Amino acid sequence: DAGITQSPRHKVTETGTPVTLRCHQTENHRYMYWYRQDPGHGLRLIHYSYGVKDTDKGEVSDGYSVSRSKTEDFLLTLESATSSQTSVYFCAISEGASSGTDTQYFGPGTRLTVL
Amino acid sequence: GDSVTQMEGPVTLSEEAFLTINCTYTATGYPSLFWYVQYPGEGLQLLLKATKADDKGSNKGFEATYRKETTSFHLEKGSVQVSDSAVYFCALYNFNKFYFGSGTKLNVKP
Repeated sequence: DAGITQSPRHKVTETGTPVTLRCHQTENHRYMYWYRQDPGHGLRLIHYSYGVKDTDKGEVSDGYSVSRSKTEDFLLTLESATSSQTSVYFCAISEGASSGTDTQYFGPGTRLTVL
Repeated sequence: GDSVTQMEGPVTLSEEAFLTINCTYTATGYPSLFWYVQYPGEGLQLLLKATKADDKGSNKGFEATYRKETTSFHLEKGSVQVSDSAVYFCALYNFNKFYFGSGTKLNVKP
C-alpha cells in the first residue's frame, strides 16, 4: 500500500471556525490532490499540487485553500467552515506523467462534520 | 471534455453469481483506464488498470478489457463473494488529469 496518512481521521467543528486537514506521504510523489466525496456526487477535485509551492484549483475550490511547503505534506484549509463543507475528504498522490500514464493512490479519508 | 459514465447501482447479487459493472468513457487521444474499489469507511484502492487498447487488467478474480472501439472498460468477475461488497469506481487518466465515474455500489448476499 502507498504510504499516505491523513489527519485527523474524524473532526466535528462549528460553523465559522477554521479547519486544517493534513495529508502526509512517504512515497516522494510529485502530485498530491484533495477530493471531497458526497452522496450523489462521487469524487470531486478541490485542489491539487504538482510540486512544492505549486498548486492549482479543481472543480469545487471555493471556500478552500491549500499549501505545500514540503514534498511530503499537503494541507487543506477551510478558512471559515460552513455546513455545506460537511463531507469525507480524501487525499491522493501520483508520481506524474513522465511515462505517459499515471496512477493515483488514495489516503484513508477524513470525515468532517460542520455543525 | 473527458468523462466517465458507469452504471448506477446498487447492484445486488447472490454469492457465486457473475458480476458485470459497465463503464464507458469519452476522451481524446489514448487515456489509461482504472477500476478502484472502496470498502465501507475506507479510501479508494486501485483494483486494476489498463494503459492501452486491448489490454486486460486483472486482480483478485476481477477483469476488465480496454475496448477502444466501444470506448468501454467493463468490470467482470466470474463468482462474487460477500467480501466483494463495496463501491466500485471507474476512472481514466488523460493529459495529466484524472476523471472518475460516480461509483457503483455492489451488495453480495450469502
